[in-house]
Amino acid sequence: TQLLEQSPQFLSIQEGENLTVYCNSSSVFSSLQWYRQEPGEGPVLLVTVVTGGEVKKLKRLTFQFGDARKDSSLHITAAQPGDTGLYLCAGVEAVSNTGKLIFGQGTTLQVKP
Amino acid sequence: DAGITQSPRHKVTETGTPVTLRCHQTENHRYMYWYRQDPGHGLRLIHYSYGVKDTDKGEVSDGYSVSRSKTEDFLLTLESATSSQTSVYFCAISEKTAHWPQHFGDGTRLSIL
Repeated sequence: TQLLEQSPQFLSIQEGENLTVYCNSSSVFSSLQWYRQEPGEGPVLLVTVVTGGEVKKLKRLTFQFGDARKDSSLHITAAQPGDTGLYLCAGVEAVSNTGKLIFGQGTTLQVKP
Repeated sequence: DAGITQSPRHKVTETGTPVTLRCHQTENHRYMYWYRQDPGHGLRLIHYSYGVKDTDKGEVSDGYSVSRSKTEDFLLTLESATSSQTSVYFCAISEKTAHWPQHFGDGTRLSIL
């Protein structure tokens, strides 16, 4: 069982459509990060959210941290083929005394021209 | 881009042989991590290091050992490789704890026949 559940696992959409990726848990996280990974490369950090209810925007990408710090979402407006990739959420449990980062299983996004 | 080099980038070997993967960083970051990435599992932590000669286990550490004799190098060893260890291995570094952004190498694709 994944501590961080991402949904959907796969998403194929047309250019210009909007989409939302969800990252859910029953645990509370002290911080949550979103990464994007392209084939043959390592993940690259997009954003870190720390405060419950926090919203951060990165151009067409909007990230939200749930009020209870148990979930997060990534919304992409007017998706473009360059958004294609694997999106990963990752967080540190609030109760953790090791500070280890836990990853969700990822959402594979394909944006067709 | 963070200066992280993983070697080799690709390796094919046989069951029962020892394998060592190397991660080299030029950022002088204190924390270094080894993850494996498998379909449907996201990234799972194998071992991490919080300083020279200071290491600890992650969630999937069985069958793996690590060493860090210098700040810049973190080695992952499979003492006797098994087919279940076929995976893509990523090294990551962070300046402080896991709450901080992790910067990833480009991965090593390891196939064990």
